[in-house]
Amino acid sequence: GENVEQHPSTLSVQEGDSAVIKCTYSDSASNYFPWYKQELGKRPQLIIDIRSNVGEKKDQRIAVTLNKTAKHFSLHITETQPEDSAVYFCAASKDSNYQLIWGAGTKLIIKP
Amino acid sequence: KAGVTQTPRYLIKTRGQQVTLSCSPISGHRSVSWYQQTPGQGLQFLFEYFSETQRNKGNFPGRFSGRQFSNSRSEMNVSTLELGDSALYLCASSLGASGTVQETQYFGPGTRLLVL
Repeated sequence: GENVEQHPSTLSVQEGDSAVIKCTYSDSASNYFPWYKQELGKRPQLIIDIRSNVGEKKDQRIAVTLNKTAKHFSLHITETQPEDSAVYFCAASKDSNYQLIWGAGTKLIIKP
Repeated sequence: KAGVTQTPRYLIKTRGQQVTLSCSPISGHRSVSWYQQTPGQGLQFLFEYFSETQRNKGNFPGRFSGRQFSNSRSEMNVSTLELGDSALYLCASSLGASGTVQETQYFGPGTRLLVL
C-alpha cells in the first residue's frame, strides 16, 4: 500500500533562517499533498496543499514543491519565526481512496 | 460556524472496559475521519465515514469500530480496552463536496483516553 516517509524527524534552525521538510511517497497515483501544522497541545491545521497538476505553490513565507518524477514533495518556510515552532505533518492521497496517508511528522524548533 | 467538537475531552478507563467517543463535525460537512495519535507519533488512520457509510478502514483490530448518523455526527467505539489503546483520538471533518477526502480536514480538539 501507499507509504509516506518524512524527513527529518527533528529540525532545529536559527530564527530568520529557512527550514525545509521533505516527504517521499510510494504510490505514483497520489495526486493530493497537504501539509498540516500541529502546535503543542493543539489540533492539526492545514497550512498549505498542492495537487499533482502544479509544481509549486506559495503562501507568504510558506511554499510547497512537488516532483512527480521523483515522487517527493517539500515544505519550505522562509524567515522562520518563533511561532513556526510546531510539528509538521505531510500527507498524500489519491482519488477514491478516502484516506490521507500521513508522514510521521517533523518537530521544527526555532532557536532565538 | 462552530468548529469540530469531540466529547468527552478526557476519559479514564480500565483494561477490558469499552468506550464510546463522539464527534460532531462542522455544520454541512459530510465526511468524518478518525485518527489515533500517541505521544511523539504521527496520525494513525482508523476509518472514514461519508453519508453514514464507512468508505475506508485503517489497520486496526476489530475492537475498533465506528458509525455515522444521518446528521453526520460520528461515534467510535473501542471494546475490550488494552493499555496500548491509551492515546489522543482525533476526528476531522471535511465538506465532502468532491466526494473524496482531498479537501481541507478540520480537526477536533481530541479525546484523550487513558487506559489503566
